Amino acid sequence: QKEVEQNSGPLSVPEGAIASLNCTYSDRGSQSFFWYRQYSGKSPELIMFIYSNGDKEDGRFTAQLNKASQYVSLLIRDSQPSDSATYLCAVKTSGTYKYIFGTGTRLKVLA
Amino acid sequence: GAVVSQHPSWVICKSGTSVKIECRSLDFQATTMFWYRQFPKQSLMLMATSNEGSKATYEQGVEKDKFLINHASLTLSTLTVTSAHPEDSSFYICSAWTGGGEKLFFGSGTQLSVL
Repeated sequence: QKEVEQNSGPLSVPEGAIASLNCTYSDRGSQSFFWYRQYSGKSPELIMFIYSNGDKEDGRFTAQLNKASQYVSLLIRDSQPSDSATYLCAVKTSGTYKYIFGTGTRLKVLA
Repeated sequence: GAVVSQHPSWVICKSGTSVKIECRSLDFQATTMFWYRQFPKQSLMLMATSNEGSKATYEQGVEKDKFLINHASLTLSTLTVTSAHPEDSSFYICSAWTGGGEKLFFGSGTQLSVL
């Protein structure tokens, strides 16, 4: 069973702090990794994707991938109350169309 | 990013009726679309993969006769929930795959409530 695991949270951070969200996956053949943000009652919105080991930065967001440890993380700098949402980690295995989603981590940024 | 339109946003229906949900890719051609289901505070559960011009591939445990999927064109896939029951009440989300980019973009979702 291919799995993607996330801590459900809630993860509470003060406004302006760095929020760190973590995700582990079981399938070593996974090639593509995505972070989606989902507000309550809304559909997921793609915020970051990463394919190679290391860091990838986009504005206040940094995705980190370590394939050896089967670990992917998302850092949100200068967290804002509007960042409060559920963050879903998704993993896609090469050669398939299937994306496996984690259960999501609920982030609360406190004003 | 690519735009995926889903309608309706919410629907309330009586038990035993059928409901059709549409998913359109507005600015790209989607040979593959996916249908997910999400219960409150749970993750997305893949129901089926829809390929243009061919039969959908259903995940284990998903009744293909209850959840009819039609992908008649490169920009439109529909999900019909037949003979809906209260346990079918859920948030249904479609997504389209952009192919080479490997990114998955989601429609806005449909909240189905079956009375």
